[in-house]
Amino acid sequence: EPEVTQTPSHQVTQMGQEVILRCVPISNHLYFYWYRQILGQKVEFLVSFYNNEISEKSEIFDDQFSVERPDGSNFTLKIRSTKLEDSAMYFCASRRTQGLTEAFFGQGTRLTVV
Amino acid sequence: AQSVTQPDIHITVSEGASLELRCNYSYGATPYLFWYVQSPGQGLQLLLKYFSGDTLVQGIKGFEAEFKRSQSSFNLRKPSVHWSDAAEYFCAVGPHNTDKLIFGTGTRLQVFP
Repeated sequence: EPEVTQTPSHQVTQMGQEVILRCVPISNHLYFYWYRQILGQKVEFLVSFYNNEISEKSEIFDDQFSVERPDGSNFTLKIRSTKLEDSAMYFCASRRTQGLTEAFFGQGTRLTVV
Repeated sequence: AQSVTQPDIHITVSEGASLELRCNYSYGATPYLFWYVQSPGQGLQLLLKYFSGDTLVQGIKGFEAEFKRSQSSFNLRKPSVHWSDAAEYFCAVGPHNTDKLIFGTGTRLQVFP
């Protein structure tokens, strides 16, 4: 069964460093997303991406964040200068179409900023 | 504003007992509705979804959910819980005018043998 794959599963980084979280969405999906879950809190939407551009972003997704689909298969989330409060589980998701389809989530990358 | 409420943070049941997890949403119309499960160390797996039609939907692992428009609810049920059902359960809504999912805070289910 096709699945969304995220790497690494756990990343530890020092405050102020740049991190890139990687995702391989399901191959025939066209819509891609990043969500995050701070420990003990709800899963929050960060950004959606379609046709090589951001279609929607939350207020969390400020200038420190960026997304990219560099090679037609990977979908990345970059945090330019990490802060302690960026520590969270980051989930990538993909959907085949909009509307009446569900999003498939990866297993997540736990980011710890020290 | 659109929101999802899962009033039970933590539920403990005995194996074999029935289960109902509550979910209420706030939205101007009927949104798309989802239940996801997150097992320890795992990602979010879709249990079931409601888009339209029959208000009782069946999902994987023996789960079902009932959409009640009058109560703005989408409660998840299972007649007999198994120890492997221990996990965190998230209700989510997908408003029609946006591409994102709005999640509840989750309910952690613990199952005693």
